[in-house]
Amino acid sequence: DVKVTQSSRYLVKRTGEKVFLECVQDMDHENMFWYRQDPGLGLRLIYFSYDVKMKEKGDIPEGYSVSREKKERFSLILESASTNQTSMYLCASSFAGNNEQFFGPGTRLTVL
Amino acid sequence: AQRVTQPEKLLSVFKGAPVELKCNYSYSGSPELFWYVQYSRQRLQLLLRHISRESIKGFTADLNKGETSFHLKKPFAQEEDSAMYYCALEGYNQGGKLIFGQGTELSVKP
Repeated sequence: DVKVTQSSRYLVKRTGEKVFLECVQDMDHENMFWYRQDPGLGLRLIYFSYDVKMKEKGDIPEGYSVSREKKERFSLILESASTNQTSMYLCASSFAGNNEQFFGPGTRLTVL
Repeated sequence: AQRVTQPEKLLSVFKGAPVELKCNYSYSGSPELFWYVQYSRQRLQLLLRHISRESIKGFTADLNKGETSFHLKKPFAQEEDSAMYYCALEGYNQGGKLIFGQGTELSVKP
């Protein structure tokens, strides 16, 4: 069974704080993705990675950065959190050449 | 530009009634289309993809290239079908990157 885990289910941070969201998958997937999920907007891709140390911007990368130092781990970083980054963040992973994505449980981030 | 549109935010039906969740896409080539589902308190998961032409949990979806649609259908809705449904598209040579629609919440009333 594919397991994608995210470090926190709920997170509350203050404006201006640096925030780290961690995602780990245990199926040796090459691809990893970070989305934010907002009502009425669906899932929007923030960043994705095809391999270790490789990253590409998605549709809404502004205000975010990512890190992939190991194949199983993909981190999303909010350098200076703002209230408009309050959202549900979903991590996903997939094999290269297979477009079925497996999702983590999500992290609900609130920025005060 | 590639785009997926789900025109209904909320669809409410009674148990046993037919269900159709609409999905329209904008893409110039031959995309792969998917439906993902998120049940309450569960993670998002793949429901079905058009290339497999399967029926999953009684749901089917046919890709209509002429109308650029990929509507999800079920002849008799069940209460356990209540969930959030997302249509998604992968364009050619996109390396697994998906574009999701806005989502439709399906509520099946007893």
